[in-house]
Amino acid sequence: GDSVTQMEGPVTLSEEAFLTINCTYTATGYPSLFWYVQYPGEGLQLLLKATKADDKGSNKGFEATYRKETTSFHLEKGSVQVSDSAVYFCALKGVRANAGGTSYGKLTFGQGTILTVHP
Amino acid sequence: EAGVTQSPTHLIKTRGQQATLRCSPISGHTSVYWYQQALGLGLQFLLWYDEGEERNRGNFPPRFSGRQFPNYSSELNVNALELEDSALYLCASSLSRGTDTQYFGPGTRLTVL
Repeated sequence: GDSVTQMEGPVTLSEEAFLTINCTYTATGYPSLFWYVQYPGEGLQLLLKATKADDKGSNKGFEATYRKETTSFHLEKGSVQVSDSAVYFCALKGVRANAGGTSYGKLTFGQGTILTVHP
Repeated sequence: EAGVTQSPTHLIKTRGQQATLRCSPISGHTSVYWYQQALGLGLQFLLWYDEGEERNRGNFPPRFSGRQFPNYSSELNVNALELEDSALYLCASSLSRGTDTQYFGPGTRLTVL
């Protein structure tokens, strides 16, 4: 079945440092890929997404590129801020071609990476 | 535009009781999804409803059930509560079954004593 693996956390950085959170996936076909962020005490917010190979999703200075050859969707930001402290989840959505299967419609999430940014 | 709303924010029950959680999707969205976020277990898919029908179900026992109403709002019911049901329950909605992006609500924190 589908699966998502994120780098082990937590990650602690100083403000203005470069951020990379690794994400790799296993899925049939060409799933859509997402990064969601969860701030303390809140639900999930969509950060960015990519729906096909070589697509780059970007938002609020964060970027991730859909790499089919390495089955990866790593999240990057050039200069983090204290306000970026949160839990980051990589996720994939099963392909429509597998309609009726167990993967259809649902998001499969990685285990989450806790990011703490210090001033 | 209002986002996904969930009620109640917090719910405290005792073992063996039933819990009912509610979700209202973004206006115009017909698909509603439920996920469980238990401590240390990450986010697990529970149920997906679209146009009033259950479309997919995660690996959860039958005491987890739900329904979707004609106005596309949804209800998650958990019967015979167990201690390990304590979790944050997140609801998400999307435009239709073929639309990729799911938008999440703030969640209901269920505590089972």
